Amino acid sequence: SQKIEQNSEALNIQEGKTATLTCNYTNYSPAYLQWYRQDPGRGPVFLLLIRENEKEKRKERLKVTFDTTLKQSLFHITASQPADSATYLCALDPTTSGTYKYIFGTGTRLKVLA
Amino acid sequence: GAVVSQHPSWVICKSGTSVKIECRSLDFQATTMFWYRQFPKQSLMLMATSNEGSKATYEQGVEKDKFLINHASLTLSTLTVTSAHPEDSSFYICSARDTSIKQYFGPGTRLTVT
Repeated sequence: SQKIEQNSEALNIQEGKTATLTCNYTNYSPAYLQWYRQDPGRGPVFLLLIRENEKEKRKERLKVTFDTTLKQSLFHITASQPADSATYLCALDPTTSGTYKYIFGTGTRLKVLA
Repeated sequence: GAVVSQHPSWVICKSGTSVKIECRSLDFQATTMFWYRQFPKQSLMLMATSNEGSKATYEQGVEKDKFLINHASLTLSTLTVTSAHPEDSSFYICSARDTSIKQYFGPGTRLTVT
């Protein structure tokens, strides 16, 4: 079946460490993949988009990689802070024609401990 | 820029009544708007896609007569949950796409049907 899985439902790390979140997908060949942050009771907030021809994308303390062979994206938060605690979602458009109908991953709840 | 609002942010209604949720793009014209549903601790599930001036496209399993979508202008889409039942209680989130591939999400509407 077609689906997107994120490595763990919850991830606890110590402040200052690097958090690494995984997004694996099957049976898709997306042209790009996106990462969002969602706080409880709020809508997702766009963080980063990475295209299939890009290996890596950075934005401040955030880094995303995209391996189309492994069908995997990794999302890193360096020097993590308690304020980074949230649920992180990956999303992709499963069509190459670009319908923009995103499929979201299961999400990973990150908790950064002070 | 790229702000999407939803109204109301939360609503409680009695079983059998209808409730309307508005989604507005405040500072851009939305080519397409999307409606998602999210149950507790689950990811976002796409319900339907709407384009201004045309009928909405519903995802498989979503009852179009129950979830009425109207995309009246390039900045406004509404979702009406008709004859609501307790199982319709959920977090409804809209998103809007401009001419790029990015989607901007609203803050969500919490619907509780008693």
